[in-house]
Amino acid sequence: DAMVIQNPRYQVTQFGKPVTLSCSQTLNHNVMYWYQQKSSQAPKLLFHYYDKDFNNEADTPDNFQSRRPNTSFCFLDIRSPGLGDAAMYLCATSREALSYNEQFFGPGTRLTVL
Amino acid sequence: DQQVKQNSPSLSVQEGRISILNCDYTNSMFDYFLWYKKYPAEGPTFLISISSIKDKNEDGRFTVFLNKSAKHLSLHIVPSQPGDSAVYFCAASVGDDKIIFGKGTRLHILP
Repeated sequence: DAMVIQNPRYQVTQFGKPVTLSCSQTLNHNVMYWYQQKSSQAPKLLFHYYDKDFNNEADTPDNFQSRRPNTSFCFLDIRSPGLGDAAMYLCATSREALSYNEQFFGPGTRLTVL
Repeated sequence: DQQVKQNSPSLSVQEGRISILNCDYTNSMFDYFLWYKKYPAEGPTFLISISSIKDKNEDGRFTVFLNKSAKHLSLHIVPSQPGDSAVYFCAASVGDDKIIFGKGTRLHILP
């Protein structure tokens, strides 16, 4: 089945220790998104890639970076995690970067910062 | 500043009855609205959408109603089934811009 896979499902890191979350897709979609969802909050878009073009949201902290080495994979790097970065991180894909294109989400990676 | 508001964190409905989930928005420029459904330990999945040029869209047991003057939309599920127990996210967008999500409403279908 075509899907969006996120690894790991749970990640524990220490305050200030860099961490990388990964996402892969078998849908061959052009667009990949990273969302942050804190407890009882709405998912918030951090950035997205349209193919190799990176699109950062204006309010995404510099601490968050992303890489997309190929169509299938996208990584979220948190350079110096703070306690406030503990959240669920959701990866999603869509065929095109249009709002009416359905987004397909992975199950998420829950990040804990100690 | 929440542009998409789901004011009910949770809702309980008897199986077989109608579930009505509500969503309010503040940005009058929003022209496309979506509902996503999320089960525990899974990512959200698309459920139904509506363009601002319509006031109703129906897909099987699911109907979304849009009231632009009130900046309000609602999702109706009839009849409610146990598998409908999930978190429902309302979302909206302007043109091709990003989707803005609400905080979600947890729906419990009671036997």
